[in-house]
Amino acid sequence: AQSVTQLDSQVPVFEEAPVELRCNYSSSVSVYLFWYVQYPNQGLQLLLKYLSGSTLVKGINGFEAEFNKSQTSFHLRKPSVHISDTAEYFCAVTLTGNQFYFGTGTSLTVIP
Amino acid sequence: NAGVTQTPKFQVLKTGQSMTLQCAQDMNHNSMYWYRQDPGMGLRLIYYSASEGTTDKGEVPNGYNVSRLNKREFSLRLESAAPSQTSVYFCASSRDSSYNEQFFGPGTRLTVL
Repeated sequence: AQSVTQLDSQVPVFEEAPVELRCNYSSSVSVYLFWYVQYPNQGLQLLLKYLSGSTLVKGINGFEAEFNKSQTSFHLRKPSVHISDTAEYFCAVTLTGNQFYFGTGTSLTVIP
Repeated sequence: NAGVTQTPKFQVLKTGQSMTLQCAQDMNHNSMYWYRQDPGMGLRLIYYSASEGTTDKGEVPNGYNVSRLNKREFSLRLESAAPSQTSVYFCASSRDSSYNEQFFGPGTRLTVL
């Protein structure tokens, strides 16, 4: 089975500061990578995904992620966060398109 | 469009009771999924249905059954609930199973006493 590691369970950051949420995966074959966001008491929404092509992927709300095959990482970044970015962020990986494996999540808190 | 809807939103069961969680989508999606979300463990796939008429086990299927009633509806049944099944359950759907975005419902918070 694939596995996804999100090393940081909680990330506090001041408003307008940059942020990076880390995601590493374990796989010896090609995988497809996703970042989802979950606002309180809601389901998950897709932020961005990497299937192939450029390793820098841009998503919604100003987020971007970079796929690094040699380091098996897919870190999420935003140059300037807003209060509304406070949420739980999940990294996910799939090999087949059916079975998705999610990380344990990173709780981002933006401090005014 | 409502997207993915789930009922009920909250449920409390006693150990050994049974119940069915309902999920419906109005996006004409082929694939549907059931996940559970537990603190510190992220989301784990219970069952999925790649297309109408098919269902397959995910990572944690024990204690659950599913039915793909038609293209729109995918239900999850707990035959004999256990405290270990206390969790938040999410249903999701996608156009098909080829790495497309999954759309999630709002979740069902289940407590088993």
